[in-house]
Amino acid sequence: QSVLTQPPSVSGAPGQRVTISCTGSSSNIGAGYDVHWYQQLPGTAPKLLIYGNSNRPSGVPDRFSGSKSGTSASLAITGLRAEDEADYYCQSYDSSLSAFWVFGGGTKLTVL
Amino acid sequence: EVQLVQSGAEVKKPGESLRISCKGSGYSFTSYWIAWVRQMPGKGLEWMGKIYPSDSDTNYSPSFQGHVTISADRSISTAYLQWSSLKASDTAMYYCARLVGAASFSWFDPWGQGTLVTVSS
Repeated sequence: QSVLTQPPSVSGAPGQRVTISCTGSSSNIGAGYDVHWYQQLPGTAPKLLIYGNSNRPSGVPDRFSGSKSGTSASLAITGLRAEDEADYYCQSYDSSLSAFWVFGGGTKLTVL
Repeated sequence: EVQLVQSGAEVKKPGESLRISCKGSGYSFTSYWIAWVRQMPGKGLEWMGKIYPSDSDTNYSPSFQGHVTISADRSISTAYLQWSSLKASDTAMYYCARLVGAASFSWFDPWGQGTLVTVSS
């Protein structure tokens, strides 16, 4: 069981908008720690998508955006494209004894 | 270009030892923490631990403390993850990644390409 909770799967048609939620607690997201997002295309290593809750690294399209509120965060993808089909993971820091850098369980995005 | 290049896939038997590597280039290797992340087959990402190559200061996730050892050789910009006695449950893809940002607000970027470790009798 992951410290951060994500839906196992989401789907959308090309051109649509989808959101992926990431729910934490008072020892991680709710404590004010930043949330970061990664995209893992099939058979490849994870790649940084969003850092510091809402910042995009150079080269990441502005179709991807992140937000954070309270004990949760969200990743939004607009103008869905076939190449967005991948697993998406949120990550934060947890101040309890369970771990320090923690990930969500991952969300499989299917482009219909 | 900042890059982390990992060693190749390994097939081992239970009880054997193993060390995999992660070589950094394109940046000051001693100025950033290097973390190791496990991904078991069909599963999510788990942070295992991290090392600061400048002084080899190391932190482990409680889930991995005592099961693996993280080390680094700053003279060749390489970090290592090692096991003294592998188990079948160690079968997984292992990634190294650079930690960027301020302390507990940091993120992983870039990632190595991954090293697949298979443990089977």
